[in-house]
Amino acid sequence: DTEVTQTPKHLVMGMTNKKSLKCEQHMGHRAMYWYKQKAKKPPELMFVYSYEKLSINESVPSRFSPECPNSSLLNLHLHALQPEDSALYLCASSQRPGQGVAGQWNEQFFGPGTRLTVL
Amino acid sequence: SQKIEQNSEALNIQEGKTATLTCNYTNYSPAYLQWYRQDPGRGPVFLLLIRENEKEKRKERLKVTFDTTLKQSLFHITASQPADSATYLCALANNAGKSTFGDGTTLTVKP
Repeated sequence: DTEVTQTPKHLVMGMTNKKSLKCEQHMGHRAMYWYKQKAKKPPELMFVYSYEKLSINESVPSRFSPECPNSSLLNLHLHALQPEDSALYLCASSQRPGQGVAGQWNEQFFGPGTRLTVL
Repeated sequence: SQKIEQNSEALNIQEGKTATLTCNYTNYSPAYLQWYRQDPGRGPVFLLLIRENEKEKRKERLKVTFDTTLKQSLFHITASQPADSATYLCALANNAGKSTFGDGTTLTVKP
């Protein structure tokens, strides 16, 4: 199984709602990532989990809360979002985090994304 | 601040020709550089990775070069096909696993 799955595919939420995005991979990867992508823009890194521990937080507002319950799952909890948070949220995984070793371990597999609309 | 520039927003070429995409960067010393393909509404798909101490990598019709002195990577698609039409993203990464993407170049291959 070389796939990263994300649910839901689409999500519409109000500014007072609480929702969660889910990501799953069964490739044995130990690094998982959340990216945000606005239309016609490149993906922007939000969080990196390395061996189930948060290793990078790119100064993301606290209304986004990541969670890595185990090595296969990654969640992004959303609360009190703003309309400007509407975007495509992408999850990715790689065999290992950077750790000074480049090569196949750093190839990132992306999921199809969750299209989020905040009203 | 770090800056990654891809040569143009859009590149149109005729089928069968070689497409060459450019990725330039400043204020960055990447451990490695990756190229991805992204189709509309879908997540990026990994194509090639090249390390800072490598000059060239090939995979089937794809070739990537990396010049850390010029701070530039070139991505070539030979014998291009309409199915190669997509947005191509370069991404620079450090040893901590942090990747920064360029804005992308949208390639259109006309039959």
